Amino acid sequence: EDQVTQSPEALRLQEGESSSLNCSYTVSGLRGLFWYRQDPGKGPEFLFTLYSAGEEKEKERLKATLTKKESFLHITAPKPEDSATYLCARGSGTASKLTFGTGTRLQVTL
Amino acid sequence: NAGVTQTPKFQVLKTGQSMTLQCAQDMNHEYMSWYRQDPGMGLRLIHYSVGAGITDQGEVPNGYNVSRSTTEDFPLRLLSAAPSQTSVYFCASSYQSDPRDSPLHFGNGTRLTVT
Repeated sequence: EDQVTQSPEALRLQEGESSSLNCSYTVSGLRGLFWYRQDPGKGPEFLFTLYSAGEEKEKERLKATLTKKESFLHITAPKPEDSATYLCARGSGTASKLTFGTGTRLQVTL
Repeated sequence: NAGVTQTPKFQVLKTGQSMTLQCAQDMNHEYMSWYRQDPGMGLRLIHYSVGAGITDQGEVPNGYNVSRSTTEDFPLRLLSAAPSQTSVYFCASSYQSDPRDSPLHFGNGTRLTVT
């Protein structure tokens, strides 16, 4: 069974305080590891696709990395506008069957 | 540039009532899908479609029907609503079915309450 586990469940940071979010996943049959951002009352917004272990992707203050068992979303010098829930998902099969984790709720304060 | 449009935004049903959640996309995407999101659980796939006339079941299909008569629309039907179907429903689409080649675009959801 495909599984995705995210930690921590919630994270509170001060502006400028860097940190990392963790996503562990079942390895068998992986077809991509994905990160999304979700704001309250909105649908998830795509951030990154990671294809294989060792890959890294960056966008502004966010960097996603992938190992054989885990993915990390590193947030460097976060700002209040980075506050959101960050979702990790793994792909399987050939038809966009994504298995999502429960998310990390990030709050960045001044 | 509308993207994925879901209607209604909010709905309250009584147990046993039926209704259709609408989803439309204007990006000419072949792949469309429905997820539900519940507290403490990840998004779960209900049904998906890889093109007009083709649908298949996801992880939690019971109590829901879908059809895909056009590329643009993918409605989700609740046949006889139950309190367990209280949830936030998201429609998503992508250009191709392999998520590695084209990411999913999500609508902003329909919040459904069944009393």
